[in-house]
Amino acid sequence: DAGVIQSPRHEVTEMGQEVTLRCKPISGHNSLFWYRQTMMRGLELLIYFNNNVPIDDSGMPEDRFSAKMPNASFSTLKIQPSEPRDSAVYFCASRGGTTGELFFGEGSRLTVL
Amino acid sequence: AQSVTQLGSHVSVSEGALVLLRCNYSSSVPPYLFWYVQYPNQGLQLLLKYTSAATLVKGINGFEAEFKKSETSFHLTKPSAHMSDAAEYFCAVTRTDSWGKLQFGAGTQVVVTP
Repeated sequence: DAGVIQSPRHEVTEMGQEVTLRCKPISGHNSLFWYRQTMMRGLELLIYFNNNVPIDDSGMPEDRFSAKMPNASFSTLKIQPSEPRDSAVYFCASRGGTTGELFFGEGSRLTVL
Repeated sequence: AQSVTQLGSHVSVSEGALVLLRCNYSSSVPPYLFWYVQYPNQGLQLLLKYTSAATLVKGINGFEAEFKKSETSFHLTKPSAHMSDAAEYFCAVTRTDSWGKLQFGAGTQVVVTP
């Protein structure tokens, strides 16, 4: 069974450009999470969805960040415009069981120059 | 609100020696607790979980953890370290009464020396 699939794995862009990160959760999972990982701040939860509905977006840094989940098999995290401080690894994770564990993708490493 | 504290951001252990990573949690309701491992340039992988059944939980790669309510702890151990155990380890907590967010600790980097 395929795990959580994220794309792109690596993205290098210039400040001011739009960045779109994509995630395909595990089939049958009904919750999806976006995390950001940096050396300075560790793992930060940005937003999570239950049944495609955003439940908590209090971790989204500012209005430049937006996330959507148009259906159960796809989610995007968009940054517009991007800034150098957005450089990080962005992880998507999904959950479908009854015990709360998350299954993580391999991450998307974003570098904003 | 729930939170976890991992004691020690870096741990160095000799190959064959005991691995002990400390995690203390705070939760107003009974928690579910997890340990995840992250190898370089990879996502987080579940090592083991406590879900209110047995307090001593066994996971993959020879790791185990014990839930101690009186000490609000969930420390991770492995009797004999292997070079392949070098990675970052995260403790995490979530509530049992709702399916909310998983709160992660700051992580402990484990270095294994020959």
